[in-house]
Amino acid sequence: AQSVTQLDSHVSVSEGTPVLLRCNYSSSYSPSLFWYVQHPNKGLQLLLKYTSAATLVKGINGFEAEFKKSETSFHLTKPSAHMSDAAEYFCVVSDPPGNTGKLIFGQGTTLQVKP
Amino acid sequence: KAGVTQTPRYLIKTRGQQVTLSCSPISGHRSVSWYQQTPGQGLQFLFEYFSETQRNKGNFPGRFSGRQFSNSRSEMNVSTLELGDSALYLCASSLQGNTYEQYFGPGTRLTVT
Repeated sequence: AQSVTQLDSHVSVSEGTPVLLRCNYSSSYSPSLFWYVQHPNKGLQLLLKYTSAATLVKGINGFEAEFKKSETSFHLTKPSAHMSDAAEYFCVVSDPPGNTGKLIFGQGTTLQVKP
Repeated sequence: KAGVTQTPRYLIKTRGQQVTLSCSPISGHRSVSWYQQTPGQGLQFLFEYFSETQRNKGNFPGRFSGRQFSNSRSEMNVSTLELGDSALYLCASSLQGNTYEQYFGPGTRLTVT
């Protein structure tokens, strides 16, 4: 079975400092992995996705993630946090990989950005 | 292009009642998935419909059901509501499934009293 574990439930950074949100995955297939963001009272938005192409994936708003098979990790990073980045972030794996619509979500990481 | 729309946005029901939620996908999208979001359980997959057929189902009791129409619009129904069914119900559409980007609607906030 596919699963993801987000290692931090809450991350706090200062504006202008780097962001690191950690995610480990478990998959018996070559996984399809995603990061979604949810702002308060808004729907989920896809930040980026990995589907076995380049291991370093660039997404929207300056976010990127690196797929590391040896470490079963897919951590999300951003060089410089902005106040507008404060939100809930979800690491997600598809189950199984392919054209079915089932996504397995991690428990989420709340990102707080301090001025 | 219009996004995914869900109606109603907010709903208050009484325990034991039933409820129907509606989701209109982005035009041209054939896959519609439903998710339940609660503070305790997080985001959990309910089911997915593709071309009017349920293609995948999560671990929810039979009180949760859904369907998809020929225009790809989807409804989900919850019968005999329980307090624990209070949640944000999210609908997502995609061209074909999860290797394509899933676009989420704003959700329907269901409160069961």
